[in-house]
Amino acid sequence: NAGVMQNPRHLVRRRGQEARLRCSPVKGHSHVYWYRQLPEEGLKFMVYLQKENIIDESGMPKERFSAEFPKEGPSILRIQQVVRGDSAAYFCASYRDGNTEAFFGQGTRLTVV
Amino acid sequence: AQKITQTQPGMFVQEKEAVTLDCTYDTSDQSYGLFWYKQPSSGEMIFLIYQGSYDEQNATEGRYSLNFQKARKSANLVISASQLGDSAMYFCAMREADNTDKLIFGTGTRLQVFP
Repeated sequence: NAGVMQNPRHLVRRRGQEARLRCSPVKGHSHVYWYRQLPEEGLKFMVYLQKENIIDESGMPKERFSAEFPKEGPSILRIQQVVRGDSAAYFCASYRDGNTEAFFGQGTRLTVV
Repeated sequence: AQKITQTQPGMFVQEKEAVTLDCTYDTSDQSYGLFWYKQPSSGEMIFLIYQGSYDEQNATEGRYSLNFQKARKSANLVISASQLGDSAMYFCAMREADNTDKLIFGTGTRLQVFP
């Protein structure tokens, strides 16, 4: 895990609140992916971004979820009006063109109470 | 659609023994990549090994090797000389060759190494 930073590591939100998850990719990596892991399951792709562009959001729920990767700053996954079913671990991964390996962050564990 | 199947929900192995974790995949693409990741109880995803579909040799990384059988569409992970610290969830994944390079994951195998 060469430097993908996610914060916070743990996030607790009440139903109806907003959750903001941040991901700073490895320096020099221009591709960012967000994955969601429900308890006892594998990771599921949500969205793929490059700087200032959403390339593929086919895995992201159409409502309440949004993602961005601005020119400056971290990538943000935003969940509005959270519900209990949003409780999961959210992982960010980055990689550079030509690399085979995607580096994962340590994940943000969201708990909705 | 591409799919990864891991049929072993849990595996046990004694310390110092070898263990094989199964992974089969389904794709119609000729070019693809296969990965194994380890997820310990602390939760992070640790990259272990990569195999490209055109690689003729099986990938190896220290105690990890990937038994790649292209005709059978299998990419089993072999861990030699198991250690207690190998106890974790192990995920097989495939990189889609659709210009997005996103990963498709299997459901994982929980490996427990006992003394």
